[in-house]
Amino acid sequence: DGGITQSPKYLFRKEGQNVTLSCEQNLNHDAMYWYRQDPGQGLRLIYYSQIVNDFQKGDIAEGYSVSREKKESFPLTVTSAQKNPTAFYLCASSKAGDLYEQYFGPGTRLTVT
Amino acid sequence: QKEVEQDPGPLSVPEGAIVSLNCTYSNSAFQYFMWYRQYSRKGPELLMYTYSSGNKEDGRFTAQVDKSSKYISLFIRDSQPSDSATYLCAMTGRAAGNKLTFGGGTRVLVKP
Repeated sequence: DGGITQSPKYLFRKEGQNVTLSCEQNLNHDAMYWYRQDPGQGLRLIYYSQIVNDFQKGDIAEGYSVSREKKESFPLTVTSAQKNPTAFYLCASSKAGDLYEQYFGPGTRLTVT
Repeated sequence: QKEVEQDPGPLSVPEGAIVSLNCTYSNSAFQYFMWYRQYSRKGPELLMYTYSSGNKEDGRFTAQVDKSSKYISLFIRDSQPSDSATYLCAMTGRAAGNKLTFGGGTRVLVKP
């Protein structure tokens, strides 16, 4: 079954701690994306990567970091510098150049207290 | 003002009715227009996308784009309780930074 997996589904952290969210895809897609969703708001782009070992900042990259060492994997680290980290985080992927056809994972709900 | 505006709802309709959803936008560089369905606590699911102006039909779903008015619509015919979800519009274009810009979503409730 092809798809995108994100783990864990729920994550709880104390303020001041870094946390890494996992995203894996077996769709053989070149491009991968991280979004943040807050209640009543649309998705906002954090980072995206169009090819292995390369990534670009999205609209709200401050306080986040990513890596893209493998085509299948695009982990997101939420650092202690992120002012309001509590949110629903969504990973997506698409074929190169087909960003209008993105497929999303099930999401990780991060709660920081 | 947001680039993409979408009424948050909720929009409540009886089973079998037509659901009418829409988004307005301000960036004339948008060329691709997408509709996603998102169930509670799940990732969005791409329903359909349209390039430029015109209509596109897929089963019970019809998407319309009017670029001159900067207005897009999604119609769901013969609505079912399983259509109860949040519907997100999204847009992009090469001259628009080549990234998706989302509306805030409209929550739809289809009552049996």
